[in-house]
Amino acid sequence: AQKITQTQPGMFVQEKEAVTLDCTYDTSDPSYGLFWYKQPSSGEMIFLIYQGSYDQQNATEGRYSLNFQKARKSANLVISASQLGDSAMYFCAMREGLGNTPLVFGKGTRLSVIA
Amino acid sequence: ETGVTQSPTHLIKTRGQQVTLRCSSQSGHNTVSWYQQALGQGPQFIFQYYREEENGRGNFPPRFSGLQFPNYSSELNVNALELDDSALYLCASSLGLVETQYFGPGTRLLVL
Repeated sequence: AQKITQTQPGMFVQEKEAVTLDCTYDTSDPSYGLFWYKQPSSGEMIFLIYQGSYDQQNATEGRYSLNFQKARKSANLVISASQLGDSAMYFCAMREGLGNTPLVFGKGTRLSVIA
Repeated sequence: ETGVTQSPTHLIKTRGQQVTLRCSSQSGHNTVSWYQQALGQGPQFIFQYYREEENGRGNFPPRFSGLQFPNYSSELNVNALELDDSALYLCASSLGLVETQYFGPGTRLLVL
């Protein structure tokens, strides 16, 4: 079974608008961390935001926020006031447990911001 | 503060050859993880090194091997290259085993 599911292969958003990128996850471990990374065409994975399973509040980092719905096992990324430079692939990833476990990534969503 | 760097940026090899990819971790980071990203897919975990010891491995055959040096830089070696090894290879470093991973720009490997 897929641990991380990103159902939107591609998304379009108008510049200055907000956009939500979906991510659902599957784990039976009560302790886990959820990450979002941005990958421009250059290839580098840029860390955006982190949410721990025990965090009481949704994570925010500048224009990025994470809509964490634990019961639904979803961790959607919200980008506010989209900019042309936000056009990239976006990956959701999970690390299970408190110990050292690897990141498991979804297949990504390609976001295109239109002027 | 220098970020994660990788070399070379691009590489073309033929089937059966061997390749070595290099990664310099971010300053102060003692943990390096390697990932393979095939076209159109998310990265897949290959293995992780912590203080010069392999500390976790994904579902990759033994012809994928690695090293970590005392300065925490790392190498990924792939022997007997196959066409399916063509991918973007990403290195990520972190302050410790459970800290956030920061990625380098990757090495694009093409196997002909």
